[in-house]
Amino acid sequence: QVQLQQSGPGLVKASQTLSLTCGISGDSVSSKSAAWNWIRQSPSRGLEWLGRTYYRSKWYQDYAVSVKSRITINPDTSKNQFSLQLNSVTPEDTAVYYCTSGGGDSFDIWGQGTMVTVSS
Amino acid sequence: QSVLTQPPSVSAAPGQRVTISCSGSSSNIGNNYVSWYQQLPGTAPKLLIYENNKRPSGIPDRFSGSKSGTSATLGITGLQTGDEADYYCGTWDSSLSAGVFGGGTKLTVL
Repeated sequence: QVQLQQSGPGLVKASQTLSLTCGISGDSVSSKSAAWNWIRQSPSRGLEWLGRTYYRSKWYQDYAVSVKSRITINPDTSKNQFSLQLNSVTPEDTAVYYCTSGGGDSFDIWGQGTMVTVSS
Repeated sequence: QSVLTQPPSVSAAPGQRVTISCSGSSSNIGNNYVSWYQQLPGTAPKLLIYENNKRPSGIPDRFSGSKSGTSATLGITGLQTGDEADYYCGTWDSSLSAGVFGGGTKLTVL
């Protein structure tokens, strides 16, 4: 079965870049039927979809308007993983970050979650 | 402020049935599939229902989903203490071009 394993630091300084990686087992990041998402959760914002990457003969990325100017989600086919970069973070970006698989109307597999604290 | 609206809390006795509502608009629930998630304390959300009323493998038939217009409902029968959790609805919003969620409903099994 598909499993997602997250890695990355739990503490980031304000104004710097948050970087997380999600390793995929049991499927391929290049699958033509899958999409790979990042979602975060905080008490103030609830569950918030951040964006996704997927392959349909070429690579696509979609991003939430709230973070569009600061976010990059990239696939890494050599390592079968995908990554999240969020630039210019503030304490409002403090949240639990999850990587997930799913088409957008549902998310079936979730990573274990990474609590990221942005220190001022 | 979540795009989808859920009641903050619901409660019922063990063995009883409970429903959780999720209200949206034509740009999200009205024209897209709805999914439901269960989140136990300290864990990641778990998919319970997808495409309005389908259950992933391993999800008991005590959990059911339905959709009508711009609203959806999660039903849970034969409540157990282990069902105490936060429940979230989700869907795609075609106007925002983004996944959206409800604010979550805390289920208490009295």
